[in-house]
Amino acid sequence: AQSVTQLDSQVPVFEEAPVELRCNYSSSVSVYLFWYVQYPNQGLQLLLKYLSGSTLVKGINGFEAEFNKSQTSFHLRKPSVHISDTAEYFCAVRPGGAGGSYIPTFGRGTSLIVHP
Amino acid sequence: GAVVSQHPSRVICKSGTSVKIECRSLDFQATTMFWYRQFPKQSLMLMATSNEGSKATYEQGVEKDKFLINHASLTLSTLTVTSAHPEDSSFYICSADLGYTYEQYFGPGTRLTVT
Repeated sequence: AQSVTQLDSQVPVFEEAPVELRCNYSSSVSVYLFWYVQYPNQGLQLLLKYLSGSTLVKGINGFEAEFNKSQTSFHLRKPSVHISDTAEYFCAVRPGGAGGSYIPTFGRGTSLIVHP
Repeated sequence: GAVVSQHPSRVICKSGTSVKIECRSLDFQATTMFWYRQFPKQSLMLMATSNEGSKATYEQGVEKDKFLINHASLTLSTLTVTSAHPEDSSFYICSADLGYTYEQYFGPGTRLTVT
């Protein structure tokens, strides 16, 4: 089984400032990692994913995340946020490799609030 | 690509009635679909996993007789909330798994309000 911890329930930040949303996971097997964004009253949209290869992953809307196996982390970053980035962000993990459970585990979410 | 739709987006029903929510994969075939429930300011709670042509697998604590799931084709899964009560009011989200991309594609969600 795996678990996901999003360390901050809410992150307020001013427009054009950098932001980091933290995500830690635990798993007894290798994992695939994901970040999703949810705008109010909408479903989830994939921001980026890590399956293998380079540990720095770039996604949509200028976001990137770095997989750190030793620290079991997958923090999401953006160097300069916009008002439109205000949303709920979810980190998710699922077992890697073929044949494993394909059901992801989601963190509780981090509310990013961008102030003008 | 990989678009998932849900219908309706919002529904208000009276207590005791049943409501059906449709989830469709528009441009791909989804052998597996998932149904989630989301409470305000909380994460997604997986309710059930739906495989085409077979019975859904429900998570512990989810009443299968209350939340009926039918996955009749590779592009359509339905969730029927039977004898709805106010405590069933929530945001219901479906998703589909392509398998080889290892990610899920989410529908826009359905806001159910039971009065």
